[in-house]
Amino acid sequence: ETGVTQSPTHLIKTRGQQVTLRCSSQSGHNTVSWYQQALGQGPQFIFQYYREEENGRGNFPPRFSGLQFPNYSSELNVNALELDDSALYLCASSWGENTIYFGEGSWLTVV
Amino acid sequence: GENVEQHPSTLSVQEGDSAVIKCTYSDSASNYFPWYKQELGKRPQLIIDIRSNVGEKKDQRIAVTLNKTAKHFSLHITETQPEDSAVYFCAASKAGGATNKLIFGTGTLLAVQP
Repeated sequence: ETGVTQSPTHLIKTRGQQVTLRCSSQSGHNTVSWYQQALGQGPQFIFQYYREEENGRGNFPPRFSGLQFPNYSSELNVNALELDDSALYLCASSWGENTIYFGEGSWLTVV
Repeated sequence: GENVEQHPSTLSVQEGDSAVIKCTYSDSASNYFPWYKQELGKRPQLIIDIRSNVGEKKDQRIAVTLNKTAKHFSLHITETQPEDSAVYFCAASKAGGATNKLIFGTGTLLAVQP
């Protein structure tokens, strides 16, 4: 167990809908990152939050957005879902230069 | 841009043999190199990591080597067992930088034949 929890674990959405994924970071970890892992590929960095501010973003369109709360938990929001958004969404938490821990992930299927 | 190349994409070995997976990174400022094991339908699990101030690290049957000059790092698994079968990902990051993001390789599917 890494102490990083994500919800929901599985969900199915229709193209054009919106989705919110949630993540609780490991205790004391003030940095949360989100990754998208499409089938058969490595995880791709979406963005990172540090002390409630986005401080890095990968090559993802603006319809991918996020939040970090004062308790360091985080949300990933995706608007106008497309079929290609179907993937495993991974939340990772860390503190400083220390090890990055992944949650179990949220499996999103867009139909 | 930042890139991590990983080889081979698939690797089949006999139980008890050794397995080696190699990665090359492009950003010379990278200083943290973790390896993750991912079983089907599960999250990536950290199995070993190395920082740029050391050249080698071992943990039982697993070892990682780093060549900063060549920008190469490798995972070595000795005495492989069927339960080692999984997809392995290497990654690189600039820990301590503005954004501590991991750049992943494309993965290696390791099959250990009993």
